[in-house]
Amino acid sequence: GESVGLHLPTLSVQEGDNSIINCAYSNSASDYFIWYKQESGKGPQFIIDIRSNMDKRQGQRVTVLLNKTVKHLSLQIAATQPGDSAVYFCAENIAGANSKLTFGKGITLSVRP
Amino acid sequence: GAVVSQHPSRVICKSGTSVKIECRSLDFQATTMFWYRQFPKQSLMLMATSNEGSKATYEQGVEKDKFLINHASLTLSTLTVTSAHPEDSSFYICSAPRTSTDTQYFGPGTRLTVL
Repeated sequence: GESVGLHLPTLSVQEGDNSIINCAYSNSASDYFIWYKQESGKGPQFIIDIRSNMDKRQGQRVTVLLNKTVKHLSLQIAATQPGDSAVYFCAENIAGANSKLTFGKGITLSVRP
Repeated sequence: GAVVSQHPSRVICKSGTSVKIECRSLDFQATTMFWYRQFPKQSLMLMATSNEGSKATYEQGVEKDKFLINHASLTLSTLTVTSAHPEDSSFYICSAPRTSTDTQYFGPGTRLTVL
C-alpha cells in the first residue's frame, strides 16, 4: 500500500494489500493520539489509540506508529478489506480523554475489489 | 454496541424554528461532552464543550446564543439550534469521554436540514 499525507484526500488500495495512512500533528505538547474511522452518514468510530510514551501499538489488523521527533502518526491496516473503505481521521489531545480533540483533515480510503 | 446515542438522527425544519438534539452516554457517566459540526467532505469542527453543572465552553466564532447547550445530567447533553437558517444545515455529532478507558466515543450524528 501507499503512504499518503493528509493533504491528499484519497488513498486507493487493492483488496488484500496493506494500507498506510499518515498524519502530521501540530502540537508538540499532545500526549494522546487516536485514529477514527467514519463511514458515510455515521459518527466517527474509534479504531486505536496511543500515548506519547509509546511508539507502536497493535490491534486487530491495525497498527499505530508514533514518531514524536517529527510529530508523525501513521495507521497501518493489514489485508485491507472492502469494509475498510471509509474516511479516516487522526486526532490528538493533551492530558487524556476529558480534554478536547483536535482532528486532522481526514483521508478517504477506497478499497478496490 | 453503541455507547453514545443521539436523537434525532435526522431532522428537517423550517427556517426560523428551533431544533433540539440530544446526546446520551448509555452505560457510563460523562461530566464533559463535546459537540462537533461537520460539513460534507470536511473534518469535524469542535463547537463547544458541554460541562455538567456549569456553563458550556464555546470555541471561537461559535455563537453561544445561537447554539444553546445544556448538560442536564451526567448522561445527557442537549444542543439547541435556535432560529435555524439554511446555513445551519449540517451534520452535528457529539462525543463523550469514558474515563474508565480514557477514550472518547462519538454518537451516530444528527443530520439537520433547514428549509
